[in-house]
Amino acid sequence: AQTVTQSQPEMSVQEAETVTLSCTYDTSESDYYLFWYKQPPSRQMILVIRQEAYKQQNATENRFSVNFQKAAKSFSLKISDSQLGDAAMYFCAYSINQGAQKLVFGQGTRLTINP
Amino acid sequence: DTAVSQTPKYLVTQMGNDKSIKCEQNLGHDTMYWYKQDSKKFLKIMFSYNNKELIINETVPNRFSPKSPDKAHLNLHINSLELGDSAVYFCASRHRGRAEAFFGQGTRLTVV
Repeated sequence: AQTVTQSQPEMSVQEAETVTLSCTYDTSESDYYLFWYKQPPSRQMILVIRQEAYKQQNATENRFSVNFQKAAKSFSLKISDSQLGDAAMYFCAYSINQGAQKLVFGQGTRLTINP
Repeated sequence: DTAVSQTPKYLVTQMGNDKSIKCEQNLGHDTMYWYKQDSKKFLKIMFSYNNKELIINETVPNRFSPKSPDKAHLNLHINSLELGDSAVYFCASRHRGRAEAFFGQGTRLTVV
């Protein structure tokens, strides 16, 4: 069974600094996707970034980038120039690229931005 | 325009009652899901429908019954509500051939 582990229940960072959130996963599949979702206090689940397992290049979306280490089954999220609006729960998620493609989530990391 | 919308946003009800949560998506997606987020924020799949056909049922008690009248709608009916059903329920949808799922704003269900 696929599992996703986020070992940092909480993280904090100073505004304008850089923070990295960790995620590891376990799968025997070779074709899959990885995601980071953000859940602010509004409760809405917002897709931050996604990575296809077959792509070696790390995905980047503005201030958000990932470090995808396929052999190590590691998928960390780096947030640069942190802003107050980045404060949220961040969930790492995995889905296999076939069938229903359900998302398997990690436990989440609560990110606090200190002004 | 809201892409994936759920109603109601909040639902408070007594044990033993029956309630429904509705979900609609206007994205033209053909796969829809229900996820449950418990009090510790853990998210887990409950059901998935593809073109109105149930394709995932993740060991959910049969008090929970999803219904998909058409591709754009996936409702969740819960019978004989229990205290442990209190959670946030998220609807999501995905387009075939695309990896990312889009979520509704969630329904916070509180059973008292």
